[in-house]
Amino acid sequence: ETGVTQTPRHLVMGMTNKKSLKCEQHLGHNAMYWYKQSAKKPLELMFVYSLEERVENNSVPSRFSPECPNSSHLFLHLHTLQPEDSALYLCASSHRNTEAFFGQGTRLTVV
Amino acid sequence: SQKIEQNSEALNIQEGKTATLTCNYTNYSPAYLQWYRQDPGRGPVFLLLIRENEKEKRKERLKVTFDTTLKQSLFHITASQPADSATYLCALGVNYGQNFVFGPGTRLSVLP
Repeated sequence: ETGVTQTPRHLVMGMTNKKSLKCEQHLGHNAMYWYKQSAKKPLELMFVYSLEERVENNSVPSRFSPECPNSSHLFLHLHTLQPEDSALYLCASSHRNTEAFFGQGTRLTVV
Repeated sequence: SQKIEQNSEALNIQEGKTATLTCNYTNYSPAYLQWYRQDPGRGPVFLLLIRENEKEKRKERLKVTFDTTLKQSLFHITASQPADSATYLCALGVNYGQNFVFGPGTRLSVLP
C-alpha cells in the first residue's frame, strides 16, 4: 500500500453517463495529481492541485472536471465521455520537489 | 519541442547481469529526475530521486546518474533478478519542481 487509495478500481460507463473517480491520501502531502495512462503512450499529466488550488490544467477537455475539497481528497468528475477516453486513470500525491506516491488506478472503459 | 526518450521500449537481459536503462530529454531544465517502477495494471512506485546538482545516487542494487550537460540519466540494476522484470519510467521535475513529466518507459525482462 502506498498510502494513496483510488476508487473504484474498475469502471465501465456509457457515453451519456456521469460518474466520479475518488482519490484519498493520508500522507500529509500538499499536492495531488491526476494522470491518464493509455496503451502505448506515456503518462499524461491532467491536473495538479497544490494546497487545494488548481495550478495546472494541461488542455484537458471539459468533460473531465476535477475537484479538491481538502488536502486529503481529490475527485475527477466524468460526463459525456468518448471511447478514446478509455484508459488507466492514476492519482498521485507528494510534497513539492519530492517523490510522488501513486494509487493503484481506476481502469475506465467507455462504451 | 520538449521530449523525453527512454532508450528502448523493451530490454531483455540474463539474470545476474547489470541492466542499464537510459533517459534522455530535450528542451527541459529539470530541477530533479526520478525513476519509478510500474507493474502491469498498477500505479508507478518510486525508486530513486536525483537532483540537478548531484551526479550519482545509490540504493541497494540500484544506481542512478544524472548529467545535465548531456541531458541524460542512466539507471543501473546490478545482479538483476527475474523479480526486477517491470516497466521503468523516468520522470522530470519541472515548473520549479511542481510537476512531473514522464518518459514512455522501458519494459525490462530479466531471463532466468
